[in-house]
Amino acid sequence: GIQVEQSPPDLILQEGANSTLRCNFSDSVNNLQWFHQNPWGQLINLFYIPSGTKQNGRLSATTVATERYSLLYISSSQTTDSGVYFCAVVSRDTGRRALTFGSGTRLQVQP
Amino acid sequence: DVKVTQSSRYLVKRTGEKVFLECVQDMDHENMFWYRQDPGLGLRLIYFSYDVKMKEKGDIPEGYSVSREKKERFSLILESASTNQTSMYLCASGGSGATGELFFGEGSRLTVL
Repeated sequence: GIQVEQSPPDLILQEGANSTLRCNFSDSVNNLQWFHQNPWGQLINLFYIPSGTKQNGRLSATTVATERYSLLYISSSQTTDSGVYFCAVVSRDTGRRALTFGSGTRLQVQP
Repeated sequence: DVKVTQSSRYLVKRTGEKVFLECVQDMDHENMFWYRQDPGLGLRLIYFSYDVKMKEKGDIPEGYSVSREKKERFSLILESASTNQTSMYLCASGGSGATGELFFGEGSRLTVL
């Protein structure tokens, strides 16, 4: 099946810093989403972005489908940004409708 | 806003009990999913359904079954709970075949003693 790799696995930032999280995937995709898992375990939708670029406040994302990667940018980080960020994809080739998740990037923003 | 509601946030059950985890969505989505999340193993797909009474096995279906009698409701059943099923269970729903955005519920943390 499709492989999804996220980097870095862990990231510690000072409040106000910027960061870039990366997601590489092994096959063509027709669905890609970024999630933030809050301290209570819920997955919060950040972006639905199988291709192109989107922005939402301090967060933006870019997916280059032809090169099989996606980037999540966090600018002016805040302590509330802490948590685990997941990239998840649906392979175009398998036809399976379910998301396959990467292992996540654990972000800690220190005051 | 899309709402996916899981019936219980926290459950404690005993080995051998039958456990039902319920998930309801309010967006008329055709697809619904059950995942479990464990430290070091990430999120793994248990079962999914793309229509009423239809189901497909995910990557780790052993020890689980599912039921989808109505479009809005997708139930995960542990016929005889075991300690290795202690986990966080996450339900999701989404539309439009393989390309629709998925939305997750708050999760159900199950402990089997």
